[in-house]
Amino acid sequence: EVQLVESGGGLVQPGRSLRLSCAASGFTFDDHAMHWVRQAPGKGLEWVSGISWNSGSIDYADSVKGRFTISRDNAKNSLYLQMNSLRAEDTALYYCAKDKVGGLASYMDVWGKGTTVTVSS
Amino acid sequence: QSVLTQPPSVSGAPGQRVTISCIGSSSNIGAFYDVHWYQQLPGIAPKLLIYGNNNRPSGVSDRFSGSKSGTSASLAISGLQAEDEADYYCQSYDISLSGSVFGGGTKLTVL
Repeated sequence: EVQLVESGGGLVQPGRSLRLSCAASGFTFDDHAMHWVRQAPGKGLEWVSGISWNSGSIDYADSVKGRFTISRDNAKNSLYLQMNSLRAEDTALYYCAKDKVGGLASYMDVWGKGTTVTVSS
Repeated sequence: QSVLTQPPSVSGAPGQRVTISCIGSSSNIGAFYDVHWYQQLPGIAPKLLIYGNNNRPSGVSDRFSGSKSGTSASLAISGLQAEDEADYYCQSYDISLSGSVFGGGTKLTVL
């Protein structure tokens, strides 16, 4: 069974850092690009960042560029999101999502259940 | 303000057909990037509903269909059922932003 399990969320003060992880199983991880998508409370989906199968291509939403860093470890079947200089507006449920292909301009065919990040003093 | 524009809400009676529009621009849908649709039931992670403009993943009812023309796309749901009540999102890729983009989402209410 294809599965994505996010972890690392929590309550953090503005300006601090947090690192999210996503453990993948049930598919050949290094064949697929991966994404982080977030959803603020009561709001819609916002794509945050994507990374190609070999980390050769990486994209970020303008709202997180320069503050967030996406990475992956294909040997560990894991995806990460390092979030620095966190702001209140980063408060959201963060989903890990698997891309259908290895590049970034495709679609997300499997989603995790998400991990909640709350930025507040 | 989302890059892809969807109506905030649509509604229909059981058995009826509804459509949800997704309006983009020349840097995303109009740049020949495919449109994909996701269904999000309350409290649940999004689920892929339509990919590549008009293709259904295995297990998705044929009551759901998608189309694309120019800089816009549409999701049609026929034979509305109570279980279709959910939020629906379109998604594409934007060459100017160098990233994926979602529509703002449409809440479907089955009357």
